[in-house]
Amino acid sequence: DGGITQSPKYLFRKEGQNVTLSCEQNLNHDAMYWYRQDPGQGLRLIYYSQIVNDFQKGDIAEGYSVSREKKESFPLTVTSAQKNPTAFYLCASSLVLDYNEQFFGPGTRLTVL
Amino acid sequence: GQSLEQPSEVTAVEGAIVQINCTYQTSGFYGLSWYQQHDGGAPTFLSYNGLDGLEETGRFSSFLSRSDSYGYLLLQELQMKDSASYFCAVLGQGNLIFGKGTKLSVKP
Repeated sequence: DGGITQSPKYLFRKEGQNVTLSCEQNLNHDAMYWYRQDPGQGLRLIYYSQIVNDFQKGDIAEGYSVSREKKESFPLTVTSAQKNPTAFYLCASSLVLDYNEQFFGPGTRLTVL
Repeated sequence: GQSLEQPSEVTAVEGAIVQINCTYQTSGFYGLSWYQQHDGGAPTFLSYNGLDGLEETGRFSSFLSRSDSYGYLLLQELQMKDSASYFCAVLGQGNLIFGKGTKLSVKP
């Protein structure tokens, strides 16, 4: 079955530590995205990638970094520079950039202790 | 600036009809999408309106009026499993911009 996987489901980290969230898709989609969701809020775009080896900052990129070395993979690193990293992180993909339908992974809930 | 407005909460009873409105102000507009998200889950795509009018998919319908910068999601024959958050999202210049979501509670 095609889809998007994210791991881990729950992640705890100490303040000052970097952490990497995994995102893999086997839908053969070109575009991939990372969103952050806080309680009672919508989805805010962190980074997106139109194609392999290319990515762009979204609305709230500060304190985050990404890579896109393979079409299937788009990992997100939450660095110690991110002031308030506790949130629900969602990875998504779409056939191409600016496509109306995005497919989402199950999310990673990050808690900073 | 860019903004989407939708009610924060709506409550309805099983079997009823509910309408969730969305007004938007964005630079560039291609269409309006709707997503459903159950608590703790991933958003799932429901519908897309690129042109004015009504799109129907089973119990769900979505409407768009580009001249009014307005759309809505209509859910008919409500079921308990429809309790979830519903997000409108605008496809404009760049990427999807999501509203803050409407939490729908369906009561027996």
